[in-house]
Amino acid sequence: GAVVSQHPSWVICKSGTSVKIECRSLDFQATTMFWYRQFPKQSLMLMATSNEGSKATYEQGVEKDKFLINHASLTLSTLTVTSAHPEDSSFYICSARGRAVSYEQYFGPGTRLTVT
Amino acid sequence: QKEVEQDPGPLSVPEGAIVSLNCTYSNSAFQYFMWYRQYSRKGPELLMYTYSSGNKEDGRFTAQVDKSSKYISLFIRDSQPSDSATYLCAMSGDTGGFKTIFGAGTRLFVKA
Repeated sequence: GAVVSQHPSWVICKSGTSVKIECRSLDFQATTMFWYRQFPKQSLMLMATSNEGSKATYEQGVEKDKFLINHASLTLSTLTVTSAHPEDSSFYICSARGRAVSYEQYFGPGTRLTVT
Repeated sequence: QKEVEQDPGPLSVPEGAIVSLNCTYSNSAFQYFMWYRQYSRKGPELLMYTYSSGNKEDGRFTAQVDKSSKYISLFIRDSQPSDSATYLCAMSGDTGGFKTIFGAGTRLFVKA
């Protein structure tokens, strides 16, 4: 149980375009989803936290107009990188937390974004 | 000072060795302590969790929490090349919406 999927797993886009990444909890309802960014050989950097039906809470330094997060249902959250630039190239990972357990987070497999 | 400190390594050991991974923290409100394993280009997977102080064992893995010293450990017995990964400690408390704080991660290499 507690499986989280992400799509796509790998995406290449041109500078200036927008990219949407989906995060789904497959076998549980996720009241809270988290989006992280990870650079090579570095740890997770929390970008934002989203609760179903509410606006996302962004961490300091993360541009909310650039990284649009939508948590429309208990099983789906999306991250849209708008007007992507090469410096946005990174590994983006989502995680989800269900109702029953409040400390455990289940991570998706990640999405590698390359902006050319 | 970071809330959670973890030596990034890398740590290289021969196959069969006992591995000790550690984290220290500063926030006494943390109650939940987790260890995640992350293989290259994959998302982290929850390996073990412990509530409050004490030990927890699961196969070759043992997690220890010493709240008095604000120190947690993960021991891996009979390490295997397949254990080569980055290990992240993480912790959370009852306040702040259970926000989880992650360590930097320790890269482990187990040589055959």
